[in-house]
Parts: sequence; C-alpha cells; structure tokens
Amino acid sequence: ETGVTQSPTHLIKTRGQQVTLRCSSQSGHNTVSWYQQALGQGPQFIFQYYREEENGRGNFPPRFSGLQFPNYSSELNVNALELDDSALYLCASSFPGQGYSPLHFGNGTRLTVT
Amino acid sequence: RKEVEQDPGPFNVPEGATVAFNCTYSNSASQSFFWYRQDCRKEPKLLMSVYSSGNEDGRFTAQLNRASQYISLLIRDSKLSDSATYLCVVNMNYGGSQGNLIFGKGTKLSVKP
Repeated sequence: ETGVTQSPTHLIKTRGQQVTLRCSSQSGHNTVSWYQQALGQGPQFIFQYYREEENGRGNFPPRFSGLQFPNYSSELNVNALELDDSALYLCASSFPGQGYSPLHFGNGTRLTVT
Repeated sequence: RKEVEQDPGPFNVPEGATVAFNCTYSNSASQSFFWYRQDCRKEPKLLMSVYSSGNEDGRFTAQLNRASQYISLLIRDSKLSDSATYLCVVNMNYGGSQGNLIFGKGTKLSVKP
C-alpha cells in the first residue's frame, strides 16, 4: 500500500509570489485534507476535498485554494505569499466510508517565504 | 479559550520514568479523540486513538473523560526513542477522517539517559 506523498519537500519563495504544492493520496483514498503548521504550533486545518469538490474549509483567506483530480491527487495553491505563510504544509488522505479511519499524513512541504 | 489546550512543557525526564500528558477541549460535541506524535521536522504520526472506556497499547495508556472534556496520555518506562512532541487531537466527526482535526499546540518530551 503506497502512503501519502508530497512534493516538493522544501521550497523557498519571495513575498508576493505564488506557489503550488502537490499531494498524492494513499491508494484507494478519495478524500484529501491540507493543514498548515507554523513553527511551534499544532497543525491548522486549511480545507478538505472529496471527489474533486471542497468539503470543508478552515479559517484561511481565499488566496489559499485547492484542486483535487480524478485520481484523487491534490494541489494546494497560495497566491500573494506573505512572510507568515512560512510553515510546514501537510497533506493527508482518507476514505471516510471505511468508518473509524484516522488521518495519516504525508511528510510535508516546508515553505519558506522571504 | 483555545479549542484544544495542552500542558505547555517541555518535559525532561530520565529513562524509565512515567510521564503524563494532559489535554482539555472546549467543544462538548466533539466525537473522536487522538494522540499524535511528531518528531522534529517530521509529519505527525498517529500514536493512538482514545476511546471512552480508556485504552492501552503497550507502555501507552490513554484516557477520556467526556464530562470534564479532558484527555490524558500516560507513558510508562519511558525510552530515549519516546522523545518527541505529543499532540492532542479532537474531531467533530466520528472516525477522525472527515473535516477539521483540531490540534493542540503539542507538548515536547525529552527523555534523557
């Protein structure tokens, strides 16, 4: 069984730029969630995608957007980057129909905005 | 009040010690509860789910008190490899795979020889 994979692992961008982060779901999983983890904090929910539609969103501005593809992989896009966007971005996939199925995370993308 | 609050830590303990982590949550409608472990600069990994009756996995024991909205994790006979940050996690949905997982800030544990 292939786990959740994310790319790239590290990224450095300049304030005002745009970034796209990618996530491949675990095999058989149809739901993808994205989290932001700032240094010294717990992860915070950005949004979740189910069958290519946004299915819940946390307290993040519209410049954070996402996509889910027919193969259930996903992208997180952030426009107009700000210094505070520097964080570890985590993706997790799941299959809610399997009942009690806690999230398992990918190894994350560490974004630095300068 | 934060949705999930944990002991601020850090905890520095010798090998073999017993250590307890405490966590409280604010929303009484929460349905599922977890402890995740996160090593430095790595992703969080599920340590164990927490059930109403309490549950044990080897040296780890988790307890849930819904009336007090309190969750705990006890580690017995701590090992050097237990050094990590422990995250208390609450979900409004049963099962933990839908919607918003709400994480505490985490408590860092360092186990020394």
